[in-house]
Amino acid sequence: SQTIHQWPATLVQPVGSPLSLECTVEGTSNPNLYWYRQAAGRGLQLLFYSVGIGQISSEVPQNLSASRPQDRQFILSSKKLLLSDSGFYLCAGKGSDNEKLFFGSGTQLSVL
Amino acid sequence: ILNVEQSPQSLHVQEGDSTNFTCSFPSSNFYALHWYRWETAKSPEALFVMTLNGDEKKKGRISATLNTKEGYSYLYIKGSQPEDSATYLCAFNQAGTALIFGKGTTLSVSS
Repeated sequence: SQTIHQWPATLVQPVGSPLSLECTVEGTSNPNLYWYRQAAGRGLQLLFYSVGIGQISSEVPQNLSASRPQDRQFILSSKKLLLSDSGFYLCAGKGSDNEKLFFGSGTQLSVL
Repeated sequence: ILNVEQSPQSLHVQEGDSTNFTCSFPSSNFYALHWYRWETAKSPEALFVMTLNGDEKKKGRISATLNTKEGYSYLYIKGSQPEDSATYLCAFNQAGTALIFGKGTTLSVSS
């Protein structure tokens, strides 16, 4: 079955510090991968998606970036975190033979 | 900017009640409409993916309908149980685009 491993589960970072969140995928090859964020009181906002290695589409201009160095690895990064980056980050994937999204367990990021 | 609207924002019902939620989305260039259930401390779980106007899907006590011409979908829960308590997310996409999610409807079922 398709599985996404996402870590860490919680993270507290000071303003101005760097960020690296990673997710890895099992059970499917060449998936579409997505980073979503849920800020307090808001819905899931699409940040980035990738249809293949090295291919990244950004939906919202901000100080975050994403990379896909391997087929089953998707990384969300920032050089300098802002207070507004706080939120719940979800990695999601969609296999080639299944249109449903499958999700990781999420990372609760608090920027202080 | 594409927008997906869900109503109500939250809902509280008694065990055994039947309920329904609404999802509204742009009707142009429709590709697919998804429903997910998101329980506290868990990952969102896919309920349905619907692609055709008039589609009706059913999974146990939960069912969904789709009207792509007018841009809405309904999710129905028959005989609500406490374990149905969760946030129900609707998501929509056009061909070649990523899913856009609504803010969800949070359901609380009391026993």
